[in-house]
Amino acid sequence: SQQGEEDPQALSIQEGENATMNCSYKTSINNLQWYRQNSGRGLVHLILIRSNEREKHSGRLRVTLDTSKKSSSLLITASRAADTASYFCATERSGGSNYKLTFGKGTLLTVNP
Amino acid sequence: NAGVMQNPRHLVRRRGQEARLRCSPMKGHSHVYWYRQLPEEGLKFMVYLQKENIIDESGMPKERFSAEFPKEGPSILRIQQVVRGDSAAYFCASSPGGPESEKLFFGSGTQLSVL
Repeated sequence: SQQGEEDPQALSIQEGENATMNCSYKTSINNLQWYRQNSGRGLVHLILIRSNEREKHSGRLRVTLDTSKKSSSLLITASRAADTASYFCATERSGGSNYKLTFGKGTLLTVNP
Repeated sequence: NAGVMQNPRHLVRRRGQEARLRCSPMKGHSHVYWYRQLPEEGLKFMVYLQKENIIDESGMPKERFSAEFPKEGPSILRIQQVVRGDSAAYFCASSPGGPESEKLFFGSGTQLSVL
């Protein structure tokens, strides 16, 4: 498996429910970032968590990072139909360059009205 | 404040033709990055440029691919003699440089289809 793998590959929920997506990685990292990609569009940066942080919040988003397990989770609370998109985690490796991010294949989230 | 602009959105080429993809970074950004997304894959880094300089091209195939970011005008990713395996979405990102570069701003991408 590759650096930055999300699971599940696809997730379908009802509006108002919470959505949790996970990301695992293999090497030591400086930070981990989550991006959203709407169909046919570019990536939008959601949140960045550094290796010395364990949890971060931004609006309805909550990100956790467990460096001992090399994993992260993205929780979207009270989901909306507009949250329907693909979600990618991206890692910046320790000792690497901040522009050379390693992306996973993404989780396709569908929020049904 | 316009974001990162890429054109064309869709590009169709026959095998052996050349593909030119353009990217204008966000206003005030002098650092440009190209990523490629193959079908069913995550984005992969290709090249990092500043004005008139290639800083890191470690992710770019050695043959047929080239990139530039001239003093004036957009950054260009050029693929010569395209093959079917070049079919992918090509994304450009920009950043202001320095400590603010942790966050990359992506364009909407160019979908290249090689027939």
